[in-house]
Amino acid sequence: GQQLNQNPQSMFIQEGEDVSMNCTSSSIFNTWLWYKQDPGEGPVLLIALYKAGELTSNGRLTAQFGITRKDSFLNISASIPSDVGIYFCALGEYGNKLVFGAGTILRVKS
Amino acid sequence: NAGVTQTPKFRILKIGQSMTLQCTQDMNHNYMYWYRQDPGMGLKLIYYSVGAGITDKGEVPNGYNVSRSTTEDFPLRLELAAPSQTSVYFCASREYGWEYGYTFGSGTRLTVV
Repeated sequence: GQQLNQNPQSMFIQEGEDVSMNCTSSSIFNTWLWYKQDPGEGPVLLIALYKAGELTSNGRLTAQFGITRKDSFLNISASIPSDVGIYFCALGEYGNKLVFGAGTILRVKS
Repeated sequence: NAGVTQTPKFRILKIGQSMTLQCTQDMNHNYMYWYRQDPGMGLKLIYYSVGAGITDKGEVPNGYNVSRSTTEDFPLRLELAAPSQTSVYFCASREYGWEYGYTFGSGTRLTVV
């Protein structure tokens, strides 16, 4: 099946810091999606990307669809405490299913 | 607009018991999915459906069954519950096309003891 690697697995954030995470796939796809899951809730769609090289923003979040169509990046600027949670990348795979990365867990640095 | 509704939110089952996790969506989506999420892990697809009367297995279907008699409902049945089925279960639905991704329910937390 499709291999989707998401990095880092977890990270600690301090309020005000910028955060970056990425996903890479073993094949070329046409749609990258980024989700956030708050504790005790289902994942919520943050950003969808459809074209190679596309850069899309949603408030403090910016995501890019890599030019090779095999990777994507999500950046969070000036992080705040409510940014904690699990971030998933996902690919719109053929065969009617999304393939999800394993997730990046964001925690607050104490 | 309720979106995707899952019931119950929490449930404790004894080994060998059975139960049905309910999922209903009011967005007239043809595609529906069941995922499980183990602690600290990602999402694993159990079953999915592309329309009423059509279901297919995902990557971890053993121990589960589904049916899709209407567009709105996609219940997940656990037969002979085992401790390995302790997890959080998410139902999701989507329109045709990937523009909006999935809409997820808020999950059912199941513990098998």
